[in-house]
Amino acid sequence: AQSVTQLDSQVPVFEEAPVELRCNYSSSVSVYLFWYVQYPNQGLQLLLKYLSGSTLVKGINGFEAEFNKSQTSFHLRKPSVHISDTAEYFCAVSEAEDGNQFYFGTGTSLTVIP
Amino acid sequence: ETGVTQTPRHLVMGMTNKKSLKCEQHLGHNAMYWYKQSAKKPLELMFVYNFKEQTENNSVPSRFSPECPNSSHLFLHLHTLQPEDSALYLCASSLTSGEGEQYFGPGTRLTVT
Repeated sequence: AQSVTQLDSQVPVFEEAPVELRCNYSSSVSVYLFWYVQYPNQGLQLLLKYLSGSTLVKGINGFEAEFNKSQTSFHLRKPSVHISDTAEYFCAVSEAEDGNQFYFGTGTSLTVIP
Repeated sequence: ETGVTQTPRHLVMGMTNKKSLKCEQHLGHNAMYWYKQSAKKPLELMFVYNFKEQTENNSVPSRFSPECPNSSHLFLHLHTLQPEDSALYLCASSLTSGEGEQYFGPGTRLTVT
């Protein structure tokens, strides 16, 4: 089984500043990686995903993430945040051999300060 | 309707009540999931259905009973719940189990009194 660690439970950042949300997972087996965003009173929306190929993945709303196999990390970045990016962000991992199981982190609450 | 819908959006029930949560997906997917989201905890996968067959039950108490009559509909029947069952219950779907990303509904906020 995987464990997914999002080290920062809360990240405050000023508008137009860059941000990085960190995600590490436990196992080095072949994995698929995802970032989801959850706005208040809504379900989770997929931001981006890594299945194979290029380790730098671009998603919606100007977000990108880089898969680092040796460090078992999949950090999410955005060069300039907007007020509308204030939300909860979840990293998720599924193992290529057992796609039934999605393992989620505890989430990072991003607050963009005007 | 598009995507994944869930009803009701909010539910308050007593410990002796019986209620059901409904999920419907309009994406042509064949796998559906129930998750429990509690504050400050990772999402907990409860059940997985693939082509209407249950393929995962992550040690969920029997007071939660899922039903998947077809690939588009998923229910979660609730009875004799405990206050610690209060949470946001999220439904998701994917093309098949183990293939592709999951698409989530808005959730049902359940409060057990």
